[in-house]
Amino acid sequence: DIVMTQTPLSSPVTLGQPASISCRSSQSLVHSDGNTYLSWLQQRPGQPPRLLIYKISNRFSGVPDRFSGSGAGTDFTLKISRVEAEDVGVYYCTQATQFPNTFGQGTKLEIK
Amino acid sequence: QVQLQESGPGLVKPSQTLSLTCTVSGGSISSGSFYWSWIRQPAGKGLEWIGRIYTSGSTNYNPSLKSRVTMSVDTSKNQFSLKLSSVTAADTAVYYCVRFMDVWGKGTTVTVSS
Repeated sequence: DIVMTQTPLSSPVTLGQPASISCRSSQSLVHSDGNTYLSWLQQRPGQPPRLLIYKISNRFSGVPDRFSGSGAGTDFTLKISRVEAEDVGVYYCTQATQFPNTFGQGTKLEIK
Repeated sequence: QVQLQESGPGLVKPSQTLSLTCTVSGGSISSGSFYWSWIRQPAGKGLEWIGRIYTSGSTNYNPSLKSRVTMSVDTSKNQFSLKLSSVTAADTAVYYCVRFMDVWGKGTTVTVSS
């Protein structure tokens, strides 16, 4: 299985300041079809996860543009340009390039 | 707007079979080339992908659970289902049904206990 490793596991951030989460995979996530199936999920407290970003950098419908994704190969980053109170929760990276799909451990974003 | 709703017993005895159904509303389960998955999350822990099914009936299961998992789809009812056999306390979790990765059910808590 591909192991997904996120850093940091906890991120205290001041409102209005940027935040960044890294995700590293144990193998390249480039699929044989040329796509890289790396997504980011947000899970607010008491809620199911929600898709934020797919295929590295594509924002899902309704996701604010303060969220952005980047990276390639085995190293990926989720950035929030200006953190808002509603961004509190746990963020997961996940890969669907190689079966079985796997997830990072999660990064808890909290407000200082 | 497609919505998913999990249903099934909230309490299952050890060694028995956990059975859950996901009902798709707001759209046809057969439309598009999506796959439909089950993902679970023990309380306070991370996410674990259980497996997926296409409306053709083709399935892929997580190797760690493969010997105990069966998924099926009923397009006439717009539903897909999960069966997990020989459950133990380690199978206690919130179970989510998911379309691809973009639409999630609210989740249903399943506790394995005698």
